[in-house]
Amino acid sequence: GAVVSQHPSWVICKSGTSVKIECRSLDFQATTMFWYRQFPKQSLMLMATSNEGSKATYEQGVEKDKFLINHASLTLSTLTVTSAHPEDSSFYICSARAADRDYEQFFGPGTRLTVL
Amino acid sequence: GQNIDQPTEMTATEGAIVQINCTYQTSGFNGLFWYQQHAGEAPTFLSYNVLDGLEEKGRFSSFLSRSKGYSYLLLKELQMKDSASYFCAGTNAGKSTFGDGTTLTVKP
Repeated sequence: GAVVSQHPSWVICKSGTSVKIECRSLDFQATTMFWYRQFPKQSLMLMATSNEGSKATYEQGVEKDKFLINHASLTLSTLTVTSAHPEDSSFYICSARAADRDYEQFFGPGTRLTVL
Repeated sequence: GQNIDQPTEMTATEGAIVQINCTYQTSGFNGLFWYQQHAGEAPTFLSYNVLDGLEEKGRFSSFLSRSKGYSYLLLKELQMKDSASYFCAGTNAGKSTFGDGTTLTVKP
């Protein structure tokens, strides 16, 4: 149990376009989802915390107008990278936390974004 | 602040034991995670310590001392597949802050 999927697993796009990444909890209801970004050989940096039905809470330095997060249901959160630029190329990872497990996060497989 | 420090790289031999240390500022965290990440993949959960002491799970054990702001991950009977990055992460109010990770290389 506790499987989290992400789609797509990788995407290449042109500079200036927008990319949407989906994060789904497949067999549990995720009251909270987290979005992370990881550059090569670096740590995971939390971008935002998303609670179902409410606005996401963004970490300092993360532009909320550039990284749009929607958590419309207990099993789906989306991250849209708007007007992507080459410096946005990174590995984007979501994680989900179930309502009855107040500490454990289950990670999705990640989405590798390359902006040309 | 919530700085987390762990060694950048470690090397060990197959079959041996290795201990990866993690230190953090004592204020702010109410639990500590350890994750394993293979290159190109998402992290996988290894352990979670909220109380002082040692938690053992098969070949992997994790220790926490809250008063000292110190944790370690102990890997026994190392296997080649244990070559990966290991992250400690402090958690507060459900939000995790990751250390920079320790890249472990297991050699034959």
